Amino acid sequence: KQEVTQIPAALSVPEGENLVLNCSFTDSAIYNLQWFRQDPGKGLTSLLLIQSSQREQTSGRLNASLDKSSGRSTLYIAASQPGDSATYLCAGRNNDMRFGAGTRLTVKP
Amino acid sequence: GAGVSQSPSNKVTEKGKDVELRCDPISGHTALYWYRQSLGQGLEFLIYFQGNSAPDKSGLPSDRFSAERTGGSVSTLTIQRTQQEDSAVYLCASSLYRASGKGDTQYFGPGTRLTVL
Repeated sequence: KQEVTQIPAALSVPEGENLVLNCSFTDSAIYNLQWFRQDPGKGLTSLLLIQSSQREQTSGRLNASLDKSSGRSTLYIAASQPGDSATYLCAGRNNDMRFGAGTRLTVKP
Repeated sequence: GAGVSQSPSNKVTEKGKDVELRCDPISGHTALYWYRQSLGQGLEFLIYFQGNSAPDKSGLPSDRFSAERTGGSVSTLTIQRTQQEDSAVYLCASSLYRASGKGDTQYFGPGTRLTVL
């Protein structure tokens, strides 16, 4: 059974800093890995999806990497802004989809 | 364009009652997923529909939970004889397709917050 772990559980940084969120998974036979953002009281917003054949995806200030052999994915956020404050979730897809518990990010002005 | 919608946004019910939660996926999306998120917990997969195929029910926690998808579009998640531990936010998502080795970005609805008293 796939298990997904996210570290750290919470992170607070000053505005402008670059930061990395970590995601690890136990079953490397994933089809893809997806990063989401969740704002309080709202549904999930998909940020980046990395297919199993890819190593990274980029969207604006976000870059996600995937290393299947080590069971790890990272989400890099450049030049963080207060609007980036949210909970970030990663999810690995095998036959179903397993989510990590998330990293709660706070970017202070 | 219109995203995934869910109704109701909030539902308070008494223990033992049945509840129905509705999901309207993005038009044209063939795959539909239900998840739940309990307080302080990660997202938990419940059930998945793909086109006309039999649904993947592997995540349903008990036989009190069931879901239907009519006409390949709207889906209803039904919880019978609700228990307090059923209290959670129930999220629905849809994607264009789901196939092994292919990407399937999921788009989530805002969720239904269920409280069982």
